[in-house]
Amino acid sequence: EAQVTQNPRYLITVTGKKLTVTCSQNMNHEYMSWYRQDPGLGLRQIYYSMNVEVTDKGDVPEGYKVSRKEKRNFPLILESPSPNQTSLYFCASSDRDRLSYTEAFFGQGTRLTVV
Amino acid sequence: DQQVKQNSPSLSVQEGRISILNCDYTNSMFDYFLWYKKYPAEGPTFLISISSIKDKNEDGRFTVFLNKSAKHLSLHIVPSQPGDSAVYFCAANMGRRALTFGSGTRLQVQP
Repeated sequence: EAQVTQNPRYLITVTGKKLTVTCSQNMNHEYMSWYRQDPGLGLRQIYYSMNVEVTDKGDVPEGYKVSRKEKRNFPLILESPSPNQTSLYFCASSDRDRLSYTEAFFGQGTRLTVV
Repeated sequence: DQQVKQNSPSLSVQEGRISILNCDYTNSMFDYFLWYKKYPAEGPTFLISISSIKDKNEDGRFTVFLNKSAKHLSLHIVPSQPGDSAVYFCAANMGRRALTFGSGTRLQVQP
């Protein structure tokens, strides 16, 4: 079954304690990205990766890091989480080529609370 | 400044009637538009899309209309069913860049 898997689904942490949210896809997609969803703002892209070892900032990258060492995995790292990073996070992957766009497949989400 | 706007946070319709969800955008460079549906505790799932060279795309009960001159698109669901109750996100794409999402509209279909 084609899927994007995020872990954990729920996380409560304290300010400043480093954390990693993992994301894995089994569709051999080149393009992966992270979004955060906040009330009234929709989904905003944090970082994206067009392929292994190729990452770039999205619209709201401050306070986040990513890495893409393997095609299937795209972890999101919060080195020093702050309360304003409390949000619902989604990982997505898509089979994007040079000429056209195909829809993104989303993971089930990670609800992060930073206290 | 939000480039993709969904001005109606919520919409309620009766089962069997038409649901019309609206979306406006400001960037004329967007060339592809998508609608996603999201249920609670799940990730968004792709519903239907339309290229900027078309003005209509239909898939079963779902039809998306694009009015480029007005920078407006809409999603029509006919007939609406209780299982359609969800949050609907409009999204736009420009070349190989990321999707830009609207803030979502919560649709409630009353039995």
